[in-house]
Amino acid sequence: KNEVEQSPQNLTAQEGEFITINCSYSVGISALHWLQQHPGGGIVSLFMLSSGKKKHGRLIATINIQEKHSSLHITASHPRDSAVYICAVQGTSYGKLTFGQGTILTVHP
Amino acid sequence: SQTIHQWPATLVQPVGSPLSLECTVEGTSNPNLYWYRQAAGRGLQLLFYSVGIGQISSEVPQNLSASRPQDRQFILSSKKLLLSDSGFYLCAWSTTSGGASYNEQFFGPGTRLTVL
Repeated sequence: KNEVEQSPQNLTAQEGEFITINCSYSVGISALHWLQQHPGGGIVSLFMLSSGKKKHGRLIATINIQEKHSSLHITASHPRDSAVYICAVQGTSYGKLTFGQGTILTVHP
Repeated sequence: SQTIHQWPATLVQPVGSPLSLECTVEGTSNPNLYWYRQAAGRGLQLLFYSVGIGQISSEVPQNLSASRPQDRQFILSSKKLLLSDSGFYLCAWSTTSGGASYNEQFFGPGTRLTVL
């Protein structure tokens, strides 16, 4: 069993739909990251959180430390949101990240 | 502001040839540095990390090595490439806060390596 599990692996939506991507982890962490990878491969950090909830524009990330679970929500999805979304957990040693397999999101107009 | 550079952007190399990928960071000092690999169809995996000049830690046994000759320079090398070394290589940095870093990581643009 992987230390970080994401679901779903693939997600297709119509423009305007509300989207949720889930991440579960099995190890102790100091923080959880949500990353976005575009088709060219470049990675952008969306959120880093250790408790509660963060919001940036149409993106919302939540984490429940007790349940070892995090969700990334996208409201009013748009085709430009199409990308791979990656959950990564950060341990307590030197900031090392362990990654989930990623969720491939495709938003159709 | 801080920036991170990687080169080359793409590389096609024959099996058995050497490899050198370079990563440099600007606008910060004494960063933690990381090399990650994303093999085809697989998730990202940490290969090496460094907390200072000349200090390298390896996460997985492999055909690769890393060096940090200067504070903001991180190099990934191989003496003889294997087919399985193909993938997308990402360098990243974060600020340091002692041994337990709780900091955002910033990723470079990556190098896509194909070994034929």
